[in-house]
Amino acid sequence: DAGVTQSPTHLIKTRGQQVTLRCSPKSGHDTVSWYQQALGQGPQFIFQYYEEEERQRGNFPDRFSGHQFPNYSSELNVNALLLGDSALYLCASSFGQSDITDTQYFGPGTRLTVL
Amino acid sequence: AQSVTQLGSHVSVSEGALVLLRCNYSSSVPPYLFWYVQYPNQGLQLLLKYTTGATLVKGINGFEAEFKKSETSFHLTKPSAHMSDAAEYFCAVTQGGKLIFGQGTELSVKP
Repeated sequence: DAGVTQSPTHLIKTRGQQVTLRCSPKSGHDTVSWYQQALGQGPQFIFQYYEEEERQRGNFPDRFSGHQFPNYSSELNVNALLLGDSALYLCASSFGQSDITDTQYFGPGTRLTVL
Repeated sequence: AQSVTQLGSHVSVSEGALVLLRCNYSSSVPPYLFWYVQYPNQGLQLLLKYTTGATLVKGINGFEAEFKKSETSFHLTKPSAHMSDAAEYFCAVTQGGKLIFGQGTELSVKP
C-alpha cells in the first residue's frame, strides 16, 4: 500500500519564478492538505482540498494556489516566488469531509529553495 | 483559536534515560491531539493520537502520552531512550480539519 508521495524532492528557483509541486494521496484517501515548514519551525497550514474544491485556507497570500484532480491527487502552485518562500512543503492526505478526528498522513515533502 | 506550545526547543537525554517532551494546548472545544516525529530530511510520521476515551495513549516505538484536561497538557514520554529516537517531535491539535502545530522539540540522545 503506497503512502503519500510527492514530487519533486528538491527544487531550486529564482525570485519571481513560478513553481508547481505535486502530491498523490495514500490509497483510499480523498482529502489533501498542504503545509509549509520553514527551517526550524513547525508546519503551517496552507489549504485543504476535498472533492476538487478548496475547503479551507490558512493565512497565505493568493500567490499560493492549488488544484485537486478527479483521482484525488493535488498540485500546489506558487507564483512570483520570494526568498521567504524557501521551505519544505508537505502534503498530507486523509479520508472524509470535516472529520476532525481523521488522521493526516504526510508525504516526504518537497524542499524548495528560492535564490 | 487553538494553539500549541512545546516547552523546550531542544531536549538532550542519555541513552536508556526517560524521555519527556512537553506540550500544552489552548482550545475552546474538546481537542484532538497528535504527536508526530520528523527524522532529518523526511516528512512527518504519526506517533500517536488522542481523540476520545482513555486518556493514556500508546503509540509506536514505545512512546505514550497522557491527555490531562485540567492542565491542558499532552506530554510525550518514553521510559528508555534509544539512539534511534533522535529526531524532531511535533505536537499538534486539530482545528476544523486542519492541524495546528507547535514549534517542535529536537531530541538528542547521548551514548
